Amino acid sequence: SQQGEEDPQALSIQEGENATMNCSYKTSINNLQWYRQNSGRGLVHLILIRSNEREKHSGRLRVTLDTSKKSSSLLITASRAADTASYFCATVNTGGFKTIFGAGTRLFVKA
Amino acid sequence: GAVVSQHPSWVICKSGTSVKIECRSLDFQATTMFWYRQFPKQSLMLMATSNEGSKATYEQGVEKDKFLINHASLTLSTLTVTSAHPEDSSFYICSARVRTSRNTGELFFGEGSRLTVL
Repeated sequence: SQQGEEDPQALSIQEGENATMNCSYKTSINNLQWYRQNSGRGLVHLILIRSNEREKHSGRLRVTLDTSKKSSSLLITASRAADTASYFCATVNTGGFKTIFGAGTRLFVKA
Repeated sequence: GAVVSQHPSWVICKSGTSVKIECRSLDFQATTMFWYRQFPKQSLMLMATSNEGSKATYEQGVEKDKFLINHASLTLSTLTVTSAHPEDSSFYICSARVRTSRNTGELFFGEGSRLTVL
């Protein structure tokens, strides 16, 4: 069963604006990851944050993790039309092995 | 980076036929691969964990006789949808972990296979 919930389900912004997506999960985790999926394609790994980390950066991506609230956020700064895609958070449970995906946020960046 | 190749990328078949989807790790060995199913505009649902040299572990609600998984080598896992019906139409995606990322959980995905059953 899916354990993550993401909001918003869909987000439409102008190029140059920042996009923030949130993810909540239910169980204790080893790490949390964010993936991107272009329509009809496989997923691409973006960034991983461990349970003992609170914030991580990678280029225009900024991820935060709040284990007390069981939530994470993905911020894409200075968005581009090419950022249009679906974004999923995924978790690996503490001591677990499987990766479970959230519901995803569909981001549309208008040029 | 690690590359996972999935084939075919799309397939159309008649109801009642079986369809095989292949997932290959091209530049690394994958002792474990994961098969996901994705409906339009929805998230990925884990179907099963494919283990090299042993039986696959299926998620609750996934029929193992319907979705046959074989992981015969360290670089190849196959998913066979047996006696396919229109409700099996979906996007199937495989993924694998590189051994060195075993503890991090990072997955590398194939490009997916879109199955349409008429």
